[in-house]
Amino acid sequence: EIVLTQSPGTLSLSPGERATLSCRASQSVSSNYLAWYQQKPGQAPRLLIYDASSRATGIPDRFSGSGSGTDFTLTISRLEPEDFAVYYCQQYGSSPYTFGQGTKVEIK
Amino acid sequence: QVQLVQSGAEVKKPGASVKVSCKASGYIFTSHYMHWVRQAPGQGFEWMGIINPSGGGTSYAQNFQGRVTMTRDTSTSTVYMELSSLRFEDTAVYYCARFGLGSTWGQGTLVTVSS
Repeated sequence: EIVLTQSPGTLSLSPGERATLSCRASQSVSSNYLAWYQQKPGQAPRLLIYDASSRATGIPDRFSGSGSGTDFTLTISRLEPEDFAVYYCQQYGSSPYTFGQGTKVEIK
Repeated sequence: QVQLVQSGAEVKKPGASVKVSCKASGYIFTSHYMHWVRQAPGQGFEWMGIINPSGGGTSYAQNFQGRVTMTRDTSTSTVYMELSSLRFEDTAVYYCARFGLGSTWGQGTLVTVSS
């Protein structure tokens, strides 16, 4: 099983600042099948990035994904008020399909 | 547009079973595998298993082997997840989801296990 470790656990930033979230896999993610999701309280997750670096339909270009193999990054170039939420990475390259424990981006 | 609509919240007693449905629309039902994922209160996500709507083949996470059954009805484009021998720690929101490009999740179904 691939274990995904996200860091930091919490990121305290102000609107307009840059956010950098990390996701490290215990072994290489097949075909870089790595997704990033945003979740707000009481809502289902929303896909931001798939295949490590492809932006999902309708996602603003301030969200970008990078990385390959075992190290992946989600960058939010300039935080908007609606971006404060919990972010999860997920690998869907090999079963069992696993998730990171999440990074909370909170208002400083 | 692609939509996954799940059945409503359930309250069950320990030892009982629950069956959650997920109705798909907006795409060819048999062309995309469907996953089930759960999220306990205040926790992260746990993958439960996958079903191939075309042939009905399934694969379950080890933690749920023997307790979970996933089925589908191609006539109504609906997949089902049944979890048996419920325990208090099975209290969670259960989601059906497609992964990868075009990822779509249902709205979630809260299952509460309470005596």
